[in-house]
This record gives sequence, structure tokens and C-alpha cells, in this order.
Amino acid sequence: QKEVEQDPGPLSVPEGAIVSLNCTYSNSAFQYFMWYRQYSRKGPELLMYTYSSGNKEDGRFTAQVDKSSKYISLFIRDSQPSDSATYLCAMGRAGGGADGLTFGKGTHLIIQP
Amino acid sequence: DAGVIQSPRHEVTEMGQEVTLRCKPISGHDYLFWYRQTMMRGLELLIYFNNNVPIDDSGMPEDRFSAKMPNASFSTLKIQPSEPRDSAVYFCASSLGSTQLEAFFGQGTRLTVV
Repeated sequence: QKEVEQDPGPLSVPEGAIVSLNCTYSNSAFQYFMWYRQYSRKGPELLMYTYSSGNKEDGRFTAQVDKSSKYISLFIRDSQPSDSATYLCAMGRAGGGADGLTFGKGTHLIIQP
Repeated sequence: DAGVIQSPRHEVTEMGQEVTLRCKPISGHDYLFWYRQTMMRGLELLIYFNNNVPIDDSGMPEDRFSAKMPNASFSTLKIQPSEPRDSAVYFCASSLGSTQLEAFFGQGTRLTVV
């Protein structure tokens, strides 16, 4: 079993829909959970991060972490065509540190106008 | 700041040739990371530096790969000799501090080895 699993998609939804992106993980040592957005031919950019369990909201984006289920989610409300991108989850162990960051393979999201 | 700058953006080379990828981190950042991204394996950390010193190179796939950071504003990733399976997008990222929460990525170098 891979440490981080993420459905590659593509996930195609109409504009305005609520989008749910998810990752599961197996390493209980992960404490930091992040979502990166990557547009085609660009580098990943940090979208949101949370520490331990709970929710975090930023505008149309909400990140959720359920450590008991080893499951994290990113919700996008009122999705826009400009949200079309690949979304990568990433996780780090306690204390942060570059060696603790593990990425999912990314979910390709398409928002249809 | 212009962000993390990588060159070249695209590189096509023949198997067996030496390839050098270049990175200029954001000024003032003390951590620099090299990643490789493929469809099969996703984004993988190859090596990272702190204050120009290599800290962890356990992600470097083989001895054919080497990385240097001669000063705070420049790093190279070299593959010698290159092989077709090295074809991937190579990203450089930099951050201020070790948590990577605010790591900034460059636009990547798309390497094709034929």
C-alpha cells in the first residue's frame, strides 16, 4: 500500500458545482496536511494547509482532516473554470521538515463552463 | 521577486549525454529542493539543501544524478549519463525555514531523453 493514495481522475463537473477531492494515507505519523494546485505546465502552488484534525476554510475552499479515518478532503464551492487544474495532496510528519513531505499523485479537475 | 527561476524550460537530449538543470531560488530563502514529477510516480523529492549544504539526498535515484549548490543563489542538478527513463519534469523549490509549508516552486524543466 502506498503511503498516500489519490484518485487521478479526471474529475469533470459543471461550473458552479461543489467539488470534493480526497486523499487517504497509511502513515499515522503525518501531522501536517496540505493541498497544492498545479496548472498545466506550471509548478505546484500551496493552496491550503492544516495541522492535525479539523477543518479550515479560505474563501470558496475548505480543507478537512479526519485522522481517525486517515482521510483528507478539499471542497471547492461555486467552482469556476479557472479552478481547472491538478490538485495534489501532501503530508508531513511532526516537526515539519523536508524529508517528511509526501505527495499524492494528484487529481485532474475539469470545470465545464 | 521573480520567484524561483529554472532553466532550461525544455531539454531534449540523446541517451548517454550529460544534462544540467539550473535553479535560482528566491532571494533570502535558506532551503532549496529538487523534485521530479512523472505520471507513474507523481512528485518525488530528490535532494534538498539548507544554507547551500546538502542535507538529504536519499531520493536521488542513482549515482548518475548529482546536485550542487555553490552559493545561495544557484543550484544545479546533473544527470550523467542520461537515460530515457530519466524523462520527467524536474522542479526546483525554495522556502524560508524547513517546514515547506511556504515552499515556492519554479516552473519546471521538462526533460526528454531519446
